[in-house]
Amino acid sequence: EAAVTQSPRSKVAVTGGKVTLSCHQTNNHDYMYWYRQDTGHGLRLIHYSYVADSTEKGDIPDGYKASRPSQENFSLILELASLSQTAVYFCASSDRLGGSAETLYFGSGTRLTVL
Amino acid sequence: GQQVQQSPASLVLQEGENAELQCNFSTSLNSMQWFYQRPEGSLVSLFYNPSGTKQSGRLTSTTVIKERRSSLHISSSQITDSGTYLCAMELHTGNYKYVFGAGTRLKVIA
Repeated sequence: EAAVTQSPRSKVAVTGGKVTLSCHQTNNHDYMYWYRQDTGHGLRLIHYSYVADSTEKGDIPDGYKASRPSQENFSLILELASLSQTAVYFCASSDRLGGSAETLYFGSGTRLTVL
Repeated sequence: GQQVQQSPASLVLQEGENAELQCNFSTSLNSMQWFYQRPEGSLVSLFYNPSGTKQSGRLTSTTVIKERRSSLHISSSQITDSGTYLCAMELHTGNYKYVFGAGTRLKVIA
């Protein structure tokens, strides 16, 4: 069974502090993604990666960095956490068939609260 | 403008009623999925359906590429169907990323 595991499940951080969210997949997928969801809204793409040691900016990358040290692991880093980054963060992975993405598999999410 | 639009934004059904949720997109499509988000937040993949019709139990997904729309039909709704339904589309922009709609919040009442 395809699996995407996120850690931590929830976190409280202080404004200006550094936060690292981790994601691990056992799907052998090339593509990994970080999304954020704000209350009552859909998901917005922050960063994604299609190969180890390389990351791409998504639609809302400001204030976030990403790291893909291996095919299985993808981290999201908030160097200076701000109140506006309070949200639920989802990691996902997918494969590609020809020119199209395959099914997205999601982790269970990380609820981040910045105080 | 917004590339993926979902409608309605929210919906209340009496148990047993049917519902049709819509997703419209502004450019050509590579892939699309429908997700159910449980009230506690986790995401469940319902359909991967870039074209045509797929059915699973009481759920049917239909994607019509020429009309730039996808729909999710829920028949004989149950209280446990309550939650948020999200469509996600990989648009034909060459960016290899999924774009999500804002979701339809469904509440089924007895």
